[in-house]
Amino acid sequence: AQSVSQHNHHVILSEAASLELGCNYSYGGTVNLFWYVQYPGQHLQLLLKYFSGDPLVKGIKGFEAEFIKSKFSFNLRKPSVQWSDTAEYFCAVSNYGGATNKLIFGTGTLLAVQP
Amino acid sequence: DADVTQTPRNRITKTGKRIMLECSQTKGHDRMYWYRQDPGLGLRLIYYSFDVKDINKGEISDGYSVSRQAQAKFSLSLESAIPNQTALYFCATSPGTGNNSPLHFGNGTRLTVT
Repeated sequence: AQSVSQHNHHVILSEAASLELGCNYSYGGTVNLFWYVQYPGQHLQLLLKYFSGDPLVKGIKGFEAEFIKSKFSFNLRKPSVQWSDTAEYFCAVSNYGGATNKLIFGTGTLLAVQP
Repeated sequence: DADVTQTPRNRITKTGKRIMLECSQTKGHDRMYWYRQDPGLGLRLIYYSFDVKDINKGEISDGYSVSRQAQAKFSLSLESAIPNQTALYFCATSPGTGNNSPLHFGNGTRLTVT
């Protein structure tokens, strides 16, 4: 069965620090990969996605993620965080071309950016 | 107006009561989903529906049922609520084309079972 692991449960950074959130998945086939963000009190929003092609994916608000197939990883990065990036971040995976497109979510990483 | 609307936003109910959470969408998407979010557990899929005549169980369907009344409406019911169903519930939609379409989420329903 598919699973998604986010090893950082809670990250605290100062503004302008660099960010990297880890995401590893377990699935032997081709996958689609997503990062969602949930700002305080809001619903989840898509940050970026990877389907195929260039493994370095750029998303909104200066975020990017790199798909490393050999490591089953899809880590999220941002060179310089802002206070407004305080949110919970979820990595998710779906199987490509399967019978369903339901997403499997990781447990989330809560990011707190201190001004 | 929100594309995916959930009602109510908040609900407190007692153990044993029946409760229904509603979800409606104006996006014209075929696929609808119900997830619950618990601290430290992320989002887990309860039920999903690919069209009006298609209902499928997710990973944690026990204690829940759903109804897809129309393409735009997908309701989640707790027949007899229990305290460990206290959670934040999200409805989501996606287009019916392909398996790589991102989900569009509603604003969530915070349910507390006492």
